[in-house]
Amino acid sequence: AQSVAQPEDQVNVAEGNPLTVKCTYSVSGNPYLFWYVQYPNRGLQFLLKYITGDNLVKGSYGFEAEFNKSQTSFHLKKPSALVSDSALYFCVLRWVDSSYKLIFGSGTRLLVRP
Amino acid sequence: DVKVTQSSRYLVKRTGEKVFLECVQDMDHENMFWYRQDPGLGLRLIYFSYDVKMKEKGDIPEGYSVSREKKERFSLILESASTNQTSMYLCASSPHRDYGYTFGSGTRLTVV
Repeated sequence: AQSVAQPEDQVNVAEGNPLTVKCTYSVSGNPYLFWYVQYPNRGLQFLLKYITGDNLVKGSYGFEAEFNKSQTSFHLKKPSALVSDSALYFCVLRWVDSSYKLIFGSGTRLLVRP
Repeated sequence: DVKVTQSSRYLVKRTGEKVFLECVQDMDHENMFWYRQDPGLGLRLIYFSYDVKMKEKGDIPEGYSVSREKKERFSLILESASTNQTSMYLCASSPHRDYGYTFGSGTRLTVV
């Protein structure tokens, strides 16, 4: 069955340090992968997506993600964290035969301390 | 920018009431979705629609129904609200299967 996992409930990082939010997936066929961010009491905002092509995907607010097919991972990264990056991050999976459905990870709360 | 508007940010309803959650998008998207968000569970799909008057069940449709009479509007209906339907409800729309979805700001529903 198709699934997506975010193994960390929370990630803590100091401002200015690099950050990584982990995501792994399981799918038969080719995955479409997304990252969304949710700020407090708000809806989800699209950050970036991988459909095909380059394994390193660049997105909004300086975030990027690396698609690794052999490790079935799609980790979110940023070279230098900001306090304003503190939010809830979701890794999301679609696949070619999934019609329009998305599968969401359970979410990882990122806390960037000053 | 595409805008998805959910009519209420916060709602408090009584057990057994019929509840309507409204969602409107302004970019002529074919696809619309209702999710609920609960801590530790991520987002779970309730229903979706890929055309006017078309609907399909998602992963947790029990206790819910939907209506899509016009392309821009997708309504979620709780026929008889129960306390286990207390949650954050998120509406989303999408024009194409490859595109990121656009989400509304959410409706936090409390059933007492």
